[in-house]
Amino acid sequence: DVKVTQSSRYLVKRTGEKVFLECVQDMDHENMFWYRQDPGLGLRLIYFSYDVKMKEKGDIPEGYSVSREKKERFSLILESASTNQTSMYLCASSPTLAGTGDQPQHFGDGTRLSIL
Amino acid sequence: AQSVTQLDSHVSVSEGTPVLLRCNYSSSYSPSLFWYVQHPNKGLQLLLKYTSAATLVKGINGFEAEFKKSETSFHLTKPSAHMSDAAEYFCVVGLSYGNNRLAFGKGNQVVVIP
Repeated sequence: DVKVTQSSRYLVKRTGEKVFLECVQDMDHENMFWYRQDPGLGLRLIYFSYDVKMKEKGDIPEGYSVSREKKERFSLILESASTNQTSMYLCASSPTLAGTGDQPQHFGDGTRLSIL
Repeated sequence: AQSVTQLDSHVSVSEGTPVLLRCNYSSSYSPSLFWYVQHPNKGLQLLLKYTSAATLVKGINGFEAEFKKSETSFHLTKPSAHMSDAAEYFCVVGLSYGNNRLAFGKGNQVVVIP
């Protein structure tokens, strides 16, 4: 079974702090994703990465950055946390299998982040 | 652009009765479609996926979904609801931009009444 591990289940930080959320997958997947989930808005893609050191903006990248130095690890960084970044953050990974259509993503259990 | 629509943000069913969650998709080609389930304070778990093989797809926990191209639908069903089915369900379409990007519906919150 694919395992996607997010380093913290719950996190409380203060406005203006730099916040790091870590995600590790154990299946050698090429693609990794960061989402935020808010009631009534569903899942929104923040950033994704399709290879080491490669990243692309998703639908809501403002206020966030990412880092992928190793294939198994994808970090989300809140440069200067603000209260409107209080949310559930979900990490996911998926393989690239040529000619097979879109593959499902495998999700971690999420990090519930509160910014005070 | 590809997208999915899930109506009925909240659905109540009695234990032992059928579950039906509706999903309509918008796509200019034959899409990849998925249903995910999310239990409280957990990540999303894949229930089933359609990738242009059989139109009736069987998933885990007794769920199944039927792909109907003429209706652009991919509704999720289960013959008999169990208390453990109380969760949020997401219909998802592949965007095929490459890199397996997905577009998520807004979700159906299912309540099972004993």
